[in-house]
Amino acid sequence: RKEVEQDPGPFNVPEGATVAFNCTYSNSASQSFFWYRQDCRKEPKLLMSVYSSGNEDGRFTAQLNRASQYISLLIRDSKLSDSATYLCVVTWSNYQLIWGAGTKLIIKP
Amino acid sequence: DTAVSQTPKYLVTQMGNDKSIKCEQNLGHDTMYWYKQDSKKFLKIMFSYNNKELIINETVPNRFSPKSPDKAHLNLHINSLELGDSAVYFCASSQVSPGVADTQYFGPGTRLTVL
Repeated sequence: RKEVEQDPGPFNVPEGATVAFNCTYSNSASQSFFWYRQDCRKEPKLLMSVYSSGNEDGRFTAQLNRASQYISLLIRDSKLSDSATYLCVVTWSNYQLIWGAGTKLIIKP
Repeated sequence: DTAVSQTPKYLVTQMGNDKSIKCEQNLGHDTMYWYKQDSKKFLKIMFSYNNKELIINETVPNRFSPKSPDKAHLNLHINSLELGDSAVYFCASSQVSPGVADTQYFGPGTRLTVL
């Protein structure tokens, strides 16, 4: 099993719809979780950290399920500008960072 | 102001050559990283330095040698380039506090093509 696994997609979603995708991780000692966004031919940028109690930032909601070892990202009222690849990052020490391969999201008009 | 900068942005070179990529951050961060993103878009950490000290050294051929002259700079030198080295190389930095993993800020990437 891969250390951090994501459905590569692409997820083709109409504008305005709600979309959700997960990221599973294998190390139960994982400490910190993040979602990054990467646009085509650009660098990754932090979208949001994922807290144990779940957190929301505008149209974006991140959840952590430690029992099942996955994090999720929900995007409501999707916009064309949300089209990107979403990468999850899991850490289990200060310096051990494992990146998922990313989920590609395409929002269609 | 650019937070994390890399040069060059594009690098096209022949197999067997030696090349360097430079990275600088003006965020005052203690930790810097080099990542490789291959054609399948998989982002893999190569090295990490904290206050000029090497702290992560993943399974990377020893043709790759990082150098950190100070905590604001982390350069990557590659000897005897091979076709499989073609990828996008990202530099990143973070202010890592003990026990806390922190946001990473990425440079724009260096697209290396080995012919």
